[in-house]
Formats: sequence, C-alpha cells, structure tokens
Amino acid sequence: ETGVTQTPRHLVMGMTNKKSLKCEQHLGHNAMYWYKQSAKKPLELMFVYSLEERVENNSVPSRFSPECPNSSHLFLHLHTLQPEDSALYLCASSRDRSYEQYFGPGTRLTVT
Amino acid sequence: AQSVTQLGSHVSVSEGALVLLRCNYSSSVPPYLFWYVQYPNQGLQLLLKYTTGATLVKGINGFEAEFKKSETSFHLTKPSAHMSDAAEYFCAVSDRSNYQLIWGAGTKLIIKP
Repeated sequence: ETGVTQTPRHLVMGMTNKKSLKCEQHLGHNAMYWYKQSAKKPLELMFVYSLEERVENNSVPSRFSPECPNSSHLFLHLHTLQPEDSALYLCASSRDRSYEQYFGPGTRLTVT
Repeated sequence: AQSVTQLGSHVSVSEGALVLLRCNYSSSVPPYLFWYVQYPNQGLQLLLKYTTGATLVKGINGFEAEFKKSETSFHLTKPSAHMSDAAEYFCAVSDRSNYQLIWGAGTKLIIKP
C-alpha cells in the first residue's frame, strides 16, 4: 500500500452506535490531520497531530475523539453522532506542518 | 483572519478551451499557496504549490498558476481543457506562522464536449 489509506470507505451508523475511522500513512510523515467535508461548505479542519501529539483541536464536539498511537496511524472514534455529522471525513498527512498535505480517499459517513 | 475566495462555484468550459479558475486571498504577508483537485468519490490531490521563488508555478496535468502579490491572487490555468479535467478544484493558503491551511469553498469544473 502506498500513500494514505482510510477504512472503511463507507459507513452507515445509528445515532446511538459507536464506531471508529482508521487512517494509515505509508509516507514516513510526522503530521496527520482529520478534516470534515460537507456539501457546499469549505473543508473544516478538525484535528492536527504532530509527532503523535495533538496540536490543534478546532472546537470539535466531544462526540468525536481522535487517537494517534504512532506517526503512521490515526483514528477517529465516533459516538452518539447527530444526522448533521453526515459528511466525508478525510485524513491527510504531511512531512511536517510546514509542508503540503497528502490526502486519503475519505470515509463517507451517514448518520441515521 | 485569513480568508480564501474562489470566484464561481461552477465553471463550464468547452473541451479544448482555456481553463481559468480564480483564487484570491486576504493576507498582509505572502502565504504559501496551493491548488488541490478532487475527483468524484476520491480524496484531494495536490496540483501545485507556491512557497518562494518563481511566481509562475507549473503543476501536474498541464495546470499552472501565477502568484500575483499586488492582486493577492493565485489563479489556476490550463491552455486546453480535457474531459478528464472535470473535477472540483480547491485553493488553499497557509499562514507562514502556524502553517494552518485555510481553504476556499471549491470550484466545480464542467467540461462540455
């Protein structure tokens, strides 16, 4: 596998479920990001990890919980989501925070 | 706070015609500038970037962009559109102090046969 991979690609969950999104980068990068992409809205940065330490948390509701166990893996744990959380969730990585970001294909999340 | 404006949520051009996608930013200090492309059901792919040096930047798939400090613009162009260019294009700027990317709302490029 090369680049940035995300699993699952599609996820449908009820409002009371708990699920996790997984991101893995095979580029040797030190920074990883979670973004939310909703229709007709600019890309929203959710979390930034640099060298496995969270450095940004842009007022994201606590029902989203990130985890970065090492520099290659990033998780987004989801619980008690709302229908407005339905969106494409994109993971990205970069060599460090000053370099360009490389994106995974995204997870299309639908909350019912 | 920085902002990025992409003029036109949809741009339609004929195959073979010039592609021009506009991006303006607000910043008193020249930022890093990026263009990304997103094909349906895919993530974003870096097309090109400007950090320092030559203001005309060439990217992949025949695209290029010119940084114009006086106009605070970074417009994306391609001389001749191809059907495979149909996608959504995003402009982003990065503050040189905190490196956070600020994104435009995106422009969907439609290619007419």
